[in-house]
Amino acid sequence: GQQLNQSPQSMFIQEGEDVSMNCTSSSIFNTWLWYKQDPGEGPVLLIALYKAGELTSNGRLTAQFGITRKDSFLNISASIPSDVGIYFCAGQDNTGNQFYFGTGTSLTVIP
Amino acid sequence: DSGVTQTPKHLITATGQRVTLRCSPRSGDLSVYWYQQSLDQGLQFLIQYYNGEERAKGNILERFSAQQFPDLHSELNLSSLELGDSALYFCASSVSLGDFETSGRSLSEQFFGPGTRLTVL
Repeated sequence: GQQLNQSPQSMFIQEGEDVSMNCTSSSIFNTWLWYKQDPGEGPVLLIALYKAGELTSNGRLTAQFGITRKDSFLNISASIPSDVGIYFCAGQDNTGNQFYFGTGTSLTVIP
Repeated sequence: DSGVTQTPKHLITATGQRVTLRCSPRSGDLSVYWYQQSLDQGLQFLIQYYNGEERAKGNILERFSAQQFPDLHSELNLSSLELGDSALYFCASSVSLGDFETSGRSLSEQFFGPGTRLTVL
């Protein structure tokens, strides 16, 4: 199956700092999705990307679909305490319907 | 609220037992996906149904099975339960098959339910 490598595994930052995390795959993806998951809850979709090079924002969040179609990054600007959670990337390749998820980045924001 | 509902929220059972998890997709969504998330693990895709038919299979054990009914709700059946089956089980739905080429932008997005926490003792 496809392998999605997500980094960093965890981050501890001060409130107000910017955050960057990324995801790489072993093969080309047609779709990249970024999710945030709070403890004990289901993942919530943050941003969806459909085209290589696409840069999309959602408030303080910005994500890009890499030109090679094998990577994506998510940036969070001016972090706040409620940004705490686990962020997952997910990708869909061109073979069918399955989505593959990264291992997650755990974000802790220190007030 | 994603619009996807899952019941029960918590389930505690013993090894060897069988349980059924239920999922109702968002109104209008035809695809249902099941995922397993063990402690401190990422999401592992189990199986996908589209409009009542199985479309894709991931790392689903033979002891597990699923189905999607005519009203589009889905059930995940877990049998001969083992301690290692303890996990969060999520259901997600999307409008389409999830194939960008046939469904267009925004239709491959998955929306997750709140999950069922299964504890096998």
